[in-house]
Amino acid sequence: EPEVTQTPSHQVTQMGQEVILRCVPISNHLYFYWYRQILGQKVEFLVSFYNNEISEKSEIFDDQFSVERPDGSNFTLKIRSTKLEDSAMYFCASRGQGAYNEQFFGPGTRLTVL
Amino acid sequence: SQQGEEDPQALSIQEGENATMNCSYKTSINNLQWYRQNSGRGLVHLILIRSNEREKHSGRLRVTLDTSKKSSSLLITASRAADTASYFCAPLAYTGANSKLTFGKGITLSVRP
Repeated sequence: EPEVTQTPSHQVTQMGQEVILRCVPISNHLYFYWYRQILGQKVEFLVSFYNNEISEKSEIFDDQFSVERPDGSNFTLKIRSTKLEDSAMYFCASRGQGAYNEQFFGPGTRLTVL
Repeated sequence: SQQGEEDPQALSIQEGENATMNCSYKTSINNLQWYRQNSGRGLVHLILIRSNEREKHSGRLRVTLDTSKKSSSLLITASRAADTASYFCAPLAYTGANSKLTFGKGITLSVRP
């Protein structure tokens, strides 16, 4: 069964460093999303991406964040200068075309900012 | 934003019993989805029910939707220890490119062996 994959599973970085989280969505999907979950808190929407552009972003998704679909298969989330409060699980999701299609989530990347 | 409120916050049952979890929402929806999250893992889509459907089954799962009451329930029959997880509902008002999911705090289900 096709699945969304994410790498790395765990990323440790120093505050102020740039990180890139990678996702490979399901191959025929057209809509892509990033969510995050701070430990013990709710899963929060960050950004949605369709047709090579951002469809919607939350207030969390400030200028330090960017997304890209560099090669038609990968979908990346970049944090330019990480802060301690960026420590969280980051989930990628994708969705196929159609009115009712569910979102499929990847296993997540645990980002730890020291 | 369209967010579901799950109830109860926590549920503890014996293996073999049924688990009923509820969700309420505030505005009109196109569909409502239920997800499961095992501790420290990603979200797994369980079932989607459309606004024009009243009940849907998938294996041991049964979902109902009452749009007049803006509520949904998820029933897991004959629960197993492996059903221990957090459960979330996600009502969706529209399904275009901006169809983000908004999650509540979820229901922590513990199934005792």
